[in-house]
Amino acid sequence: GAVVSQHPSWVICKSGTSVKIECRSLDFQATTMFWYRQFPKQSLMLMATSNEGSKATYEQGVEKDKFLINHASLTLSTLTVTSAHPEDSSFYICSARGLGGAYEQYFGPGTRLTVT
Amino acid sequence: GENVEQHPSTLSVQEGDSAVIKCTYSDSASNYFPWYKQELGKGPQLIIDIRSNVGEKKDQRIAVTLNKTAKHFSLHITETQPEDSAVYFCAAWGGYQKVTFGTGTKLQVIP
Repeated sequence: GAVVSQHPSWVICKSGTSVKIECRSLDFQATTMFWYRQFPKQSLMLMATSNEGSKATYEQGVEKDKFLINHASLTLSTLTVTSAHPEDSSFYICSARGLGGAYEQYFGPGTRLTVT
Repeated sequence: GENVEQHPSTLSVQEGDSAVIKCTYSDSASNYFPWYKQELGKGPQLIIDIRSNVGEKKDQRIAVTLNKTAKHFSLHITETQPEDSAVYFCAAWGGYQKVTFGTGTKLQVIP
């Protein structure tokens, strides 16, 4: 149980284009989803927290107009990187917390974004 | 906000030996401490966790200890195997329900 999927697993896009990453909880309902960014050999940095049906809460320093997050259902959240630039290249990981879950979060496999 | 320090950053052990990774945290309100294992190119996987009302928890070869007074917690892996090789992250959930991750420890188990 508690499986989280991400799609795509990797994507290459040109500078200036937008990319959408999907995060799905496959066997549970996720009231809260988290989006992280991870640079090579570094830790996970929380970008934003989204609750189903409400606007995401962004961490300080994260541009909400650049990283659009939508959590329209209890099993799906999306992260759209708008007008991507090479510095947006990174490993993006989502996690989900289920109904009644106080702390436990389950991570997706990550999406490797490369902007050329 | 919460600050989590993790040591060592790299750790090499012989197969069969034990490995210990330590983390310290700053927010005394933190009350949940998970440990994650991340293999190359994959997302983190929860391997063990501990809540603030417990001092130790064990699951087969993996154990976690928590010292609330000193604000540190440790991951212990016994009888290490090559498949234990990965990056391990500690984390702490703070008073505002926010999680802060440690900087990671790259564990290499030498056959």
